[in-house]
Amino acid sequence: AQKVTQAQTEISVVEKEDVTLDCVYETRDTTYYLFWYKQPPSGELVFLIRRNSFDEQNEISGRYSWNFQKSTSSFNFTITASQVVDSAVYFCALSEPPPPNAGGTSYGKLTFGQGTILTVHP
Amino acid sequence: EAQVTQNPRYLITVTGKKLTVTCSQNMNHEYMSWYRQDPGLGLRQIYYSMNVEVTDKGDVPEGYKVSRKEKRNFPLILESPSPNQTSLYFCASSQKGSSYEQYFGPGTRLTVT
Repeated sequence: AQKVTQAQTEISVVEKEDVTLDCVYETRDTTYYLFWYKQPPSGELVFLIRRNSFDEQNEISGRYSWNFQKSTSSFNFTITASQVVDSAVYFCALSEPPPPNAGGTSYGKLTFGQGTILTVHP
Repeated sequence: EAQVTQNPRYLITVTGKKLTVTCSQNMNHEYMSWYRQDPGLGLRQIYYSMNVEVTDKGDVPEGYKVSRKEKRNFPLILESPSPNQTSLYFCASSQKGSSYEQYFGPGTRLTVT
């Protein structure tokens, strides 16, 4: 069964510090998709990034960067020069294809990690 | 505006009283899904639907029912709610499945006493 572990329950940093949020996953398949979502204090869930298992290139988007390493089954997220507005709960998620006997190729199940609460102090 | 709507946003009810949480999307998405969020457990998938009349269980389906009679709507039904179903519920939709970006509704805070 697929599993996502975010071992860091809470992280507290001071503004302008860099911070890395860890995500480790387990999957039986060679084709899968990984995601990061942000949940600010207002409660909505915001999509940050999607990565498929065949694309191991790291990605950078402004102050955000993602490090995908299949060898260690990790998909870590780094915020550079953190800001107070980065304070939120961050979720890593894994989408895996259905078992062979289920038929079809569409992906239906999505497994989230427990989330990491990031607090950035001014 | 492209969005996923849920109603009600807040609900307090008593054990055993059937309730329905509605979810609607205006993006013509094929895939819709329900999640519950609990402290320390993250989001857990309850049910999902790949298309009209096609639904399947997620990781925590016990005590819930869903239906997908129209593409835009995916209601979550609690036939006999219990206190352990007190939670924050999110509906989401995406183009074609869980391998695509999910668009989430604003959430429904349910309390069962």
